[in-house]
Amino acid sequence: AQKITQTQPGMFVQEKEAVTLDCTYDTSDQSYGLFWYKQPSSGEMIFLIYQGSYDEQNATEGRYSLNFQKARKSANLVISASQLGDSAMYFCAMREVYNNNDMRFGAGTRLTVKP
Amino acid sequence: DSGVTQTPKHLITATGQRVTLRCSPRSGDLSVYWYQQSLDQGLQFLIQYYNGEERAKGNILERFSAQQFPDLHSELNLSSLELGDSALYFCASNLDGANEKLFFGSGTQLSVL
Repeated sequence: AQKITQTQPGMFVQEKEAVTLDCTYDTSDQSYGLFWYKQPSSGEMIFLIYQGSYDEQNATEGRYSLNFQKARKSANLVISASQLGDSAMYFCAMREVYNNNDMRFGAGTRLTVKP
Repeated sequence: DSGVTQTPKHLITATGQRVTLRCSPRSGDLSVYWYQQSLDQGLQFLIQYYNGEERAKGNILERFSAQQFPDLHSELNLSSLELGDSALYFCASNLDGANEKLFFGSGTQLSVL
C-alpha cells in the first residue's frame, strides 16, 4: 500500500526567503506520479506541481520546484522567494500507475510566511 | 474555477440522519474521486469511480456509499450520521491518466449536530 509522509506539521519562513517542505513516500511500483497541492484558508485545493517517476529532471513551475530523489523516495517542495500569500496548508500526494490508480495524500504541512 | 461542481456547499444536519452530496465532474472527465477532510486533517481517500464503475476503495465506512451515473455525475450518500462525520467532503475528477492531476471541487462542508 502506498504511504505518504510529511514530517513537518508546521513551518515558518521569512518573506522573500526560500523554504523546503519535506515529503517521503513508500511504494513498490516503479511507475508513479508525485503531486503537490496547496490549500489556503479558503479551503480549495490548488495544484502546484507534478513529477513523474521516470522524469530525469526535477519539475519546476514558476517559484515552485520539486527536489526529486528517487533512491531516497523523497519529493520535497521548494518554494523560492516566499510571499505572504504562500501561507497555507501544503499536501504531497502520490499515484501509482498500475496499483488501484487512486491518489493518496500526506497529512500536510502548514506554512506560515512572516513579514 | 476547476470545472468540478459540488452541491450543496454547506449542509447542517442531525445525528442519525442521511444526506446526499452531489458532484459534477469536469466536462470530459471519466474518473471521480471522493475525499474526506476532517478539521486540521489531511485528505482521506474514500472511493473512486471510473466511467460508472467503482475503481478503487479507501477508508470508506459501511454507512457511506457512492455511485456514478451514466451522465458521469456522482453522489456520495452518508447515512446514520455521527458527530465524527462532520468534515469537508471533496470531489475531484480527471480523465484518468496516471500522470494527471486531480481537479477538485470547492467541497461540501458537512456539520452533524
